[in-house]
Amino acid sequence: GAVVSQHPSWVICKSGTSVKIECRSLDFQATTMFWYRQFPKQSLMLMATSNEGSKATYEQGVEKDKFLINHASLTLSTLTVTSAHPEDSSFYICSATTMGETESLIGLGLEFFGPGTRLTVL
Amino acid sequence: QKEVEQNSGPLSVPEGAIASLNCTYSDRGSQSFFWYRQYSGKSPELIMFIYSNGDKEDGRFTAQLNKASQYVSLLIRDSQPSDSATYLCAVNGGGATNKLIFGTGTLLAVQP
Repeated sequence: GAVVSQHPSWVICKSGTSVKIECRSLDFQATTMFWYRQFPKQSLMLMATSNEGSKATYEQGVEKDKFLINHASLTLSTLTVTSAHPEDSSFYICSATTMGETESLIGLGLEFFGPGTRLTVL
Repeated sequence: QKEVEQNSGPLSVPEGAIASLNCTYSDRGSQSFFWYRQYSGKSPELIMFIYSNGDKEDGRFTAQLNKASQYVSLLIRDSQPSDSATYLCAVNGGGATNKLIFGTGTLLAVQP
């Protein structure tokens, strides 16, 4: 399957600081990347959809000014948590997909997930 | 509101048995369906996808889709303790973004 990486894998920061998380598709071009958040013992919650070269689409209830998303290239999207607070502590996971590829790879819009970033805000 | 529902479990099966995981979805227009496995503290891993009615087999895994009943299932044959994880059902919500709608997951525990 396609490989998606995330960096960093974990981060601890002080309240009020900003944290940037990178998501990269290593062996394919991702026209769309998704950002999820997962709290302990809960399912994935989609935060936003990021398309290369355009503004991200945020899910209802997700503050776009707090969670800044940039998808500058077909292989890189970044999520910046601005002015982080303890309630932002969570497991942040990105995924990448593409359209128009051959069915043998991801023609059905398959999502491949990165390994996740665990954010702890003190 | 498009929904995907799963029994949260835990579903406990003995080693070597067949584990049956079920999922229902509300959007009759959904086209493709996915099963992900998520170990504790890790991100989801794609196991199988299916888009045609019927069965699709891959090794010990079989996905079953019944669009008329809006039902998709995952069977795991010869269950192993290493299969113990949360299994997430996801449905392609369609539209331009092709985003997935996830169920809350079923926790599977395979007892040695």
